[in-house]
Amino acid sequence: QLQLQESGPGLVKPSETLSLTCNVSGVSISSSNYYWGWIRQPPGKGLEWIGSIYYTGRTYYNPSLKSRVTISLETSKNQFSLKLNSMTAADTAVYYCARGEHTPSDFWYWGQGTLVTVSP
Amino acid sequence: SYVLTQPPSLSVAPGQTARLTCGGNNIASLSVDWYQQKPGQAPVLVVYHDSDRPSGIPARFSGSNSGDTATLTISRVEAADEADYYCQVWNSHIDEGVFGGGTKLTVL
Repeated sequence: QLQLQESGPGLVKPSETLSLTCNVSGVSISSSNYYWGWIRQPPGKGLEWIGSIYYTGRTYYNPSLKSRVTISLETSKNQFSLKLNSMTAADTAVYYCARGEHTPSDFWYWGQGTLVTVSP
Repeated sequence: SYVLTQPPSLSVAPGQTARLTCGGNNIASLSVDWYQQKPGQAPVLVVYHDSDRPSGIPARFSGSNSGDTATLTISRVEAADEADYYCQVWNSHIDEGVFGGGTKLTVL
């Protein structure tokens, strides 16, 4: 049974870099034709696609975040990660990891999400 | 950047039909997915590829896509359908994933 679980700091200071990890169980992230993605949701607001990575390592990023985002696979740990630099209060959100089945953004399986607050 | 427009809210009485719209320029040329999100929970995919349903999603949920508007239709609405609904596309022209702003469905 596929499960995804986000982990990382709940509090980040302005200008710092956010690092989140998504632990995947139930399938190997490097041997399946799937996309692994990150989505965020500011409190009380809608969903925003951050970016995705194909099992081959090819990445796709939201143009509005592209200059600040890095998504990578950690196949030895069956994890994938998100790094978002130059954090501001506007980056405060629940961050979800998810698996895309047919495209980089059709997400059939989601993690439970983790709240990241940007504050001094 | 491609924009998807959803009405912020929709209210429907139990047993009636809810039609949630998602507008985008020539959206019919793209494949639309729909998500249901209840408070405090992760989104759940309810329709993919415009009109297909993942296993476990009731047949009351259906989708269509034509011209500049995609529609999620929920027949015989139940109290448990009260949630936020988001449309989403993959814009393969510029490799971009886009979510609509979401519609809050209230069951009266």
